[in-house]
Amino acid sequence: GAVVSQHPSRVICKSGTSVKIECRSLDFQATTMFWYRQFPKKSLMLMATSNEGSKATYEQGVEKDKFLINHASLTLSTLTVTSAHPEDSSFYICSARGGGTSGTSSYNEQFFGPGTRLTVL
Amino acid sequence: AQSVTQLGSHVSVSEGALVLLRCNYSSSVPPYLFWYVQYPNQGLQLLLKYTTGATLVKGINGFEAEFKKSETSFHLTKPSAHMSDAAEYFCAVSDTGFQKLVFGTGTRLLVSP
Repeated sequence: GAVVSQHPSRVICKSGTSVKIECRSLDFQATTMFWYRQFPKKSLMLMATSNEGSKATYEQGVEKDKFLINHASLTLSTLTVTSAHPEDSSFYICSARGGGTSGTSSYNEQFFGPGTRLTVL
Repeated sequence: AQSVTQLGSHVSVSEGALVLLRCNYSSSVPPYLFWYVQYPNQGLQLLLKYTTGATLVKGINGFEAEFKKSETSFHLTKPSAHMSDAAEYFCAVSDTGFQKLVFGTGTRLLVSP
């Protein structure tokens, strides 16, 4: 249980194009999803927090118009990198925080997806 | 604001040797503390977590960590390293339960035969 998937796992795109990354909680409902960015040999930096049905909360320094986040359902959140440029190349990881009832494995814990490697040429 | 410091970007051990990965945190409120493992090109897997109660926490794959409030530390240990333990390890802190996580910079564990 508590599996989070991301699609695609790898994407290569040309500069100026937009790329959409999907994050799905496969076996639980995620009240909150998080998007992280990981630079090579660096830690994970939280980009934004999204709650189902409401606007995402972005961390300081993250461009809202650049990184569009949609959390339309309890099992799906998407990150769209708009007008991507080479400096946007990175490893993007999502996590999903389960709701549910206390005592279940998904309660309140963040479960991480396998990540998406974005390369912008 | 919370922060996490992981001493040593790389730790090398021999197979069968003790593993010790260090983590110190800063938090203005009682923290929730986590250790995650990341294998190449994969997401993070939770090894163990401390919320409240017993300060010695046992996790998966034989790992454990001890919360020491006086030292603001949450070091990760394993008595005997296995080749499959080679990975990147991240310590993280949260002061709001399982909400916003702040990660350390990670420690790469290298295990030699």
